[in-house]
Amino acid sequence: QKEVEQDPGPLSVPEGAIVSLNCTYSNSAFQYFMWYRQYSRKGPELLMYTYSSGNKEDGRFTAQVDKSSKYISLFIRDSQPSDSATYLCAMCVGAGNQFYFGTGTSLTVIP
Amino acid sequence: GAVVSQHPSWVICKSGTSVKIECRSLDFQATTMFWYRQFPKQSLMLMATSNEGSKATYEQGVEKDKFLINHASLTLSTLTVTSAHPEDSSFYICSARDTFQTYNEQFFGPGTRLTVL
Repeated sequence: QKEVEQDPGPLSVPEGAIVSLNCTYSNSAFQYFMWYRQYSRKGPELLMYTYSSGNKEDGRFTAQVDKSSKYISLFIRDSQPSDSATYLCAMCVGAGNQFYFGTGTSLTVIP
Repeated sequence: GAVVSQHPSWVICKSGTSVKIECRSLDFQATTMFWYRQFPKQSLMLMATSNEGSKATYEQGVEKDKFLINHASLTLSTLTVTSAHPEDSSFYICSARDTFQTYNEQFFGPGTRLTVL
């Protein structure tokens, strides 16, 4: 079993839709949870960073962590064509520890 | 914001040659840098953790004699792919952790696309 599971998609939505991206994990010791956005042939850029359970909102993005279910989500409201990218979840046990990445979900927002 | 650069961005080489990829933290010091490899439509796979002034730590299955890592300063780590073969063709991405930040963010470079003919 992989440490982190993520549906690779692809996911295609119309502009303005709400997008839900999800990852599940098996290691209950994970404490830090990140979402990265990666455009084609570019390095990942950090979107959201959360510690432990709960919700965190930043503009149109909301990150949600449910440690009891070992499940994290990223919601994108009012999706835009510029949101078209691959979204990677990542997590680690503690500061300074190895990151474990999901496979990434490819998202296309259609104008 | 913190910026990490990689050079070159794209390299094509013949089988059997060696290729060096540089990773630089431009506006912060990075005691620790990471090297990842990413195949098409797959996630980032950690190859090794590079620590300034000491030997790199390689992940299981990564040949340390083939992928030479040098982290000689707080702003530069290099990955040398020795005797490259077509199966080494991939997207190589580095990341760096800011030495003086207490939280765990890694800043990623733009990646280097290696094609071995």
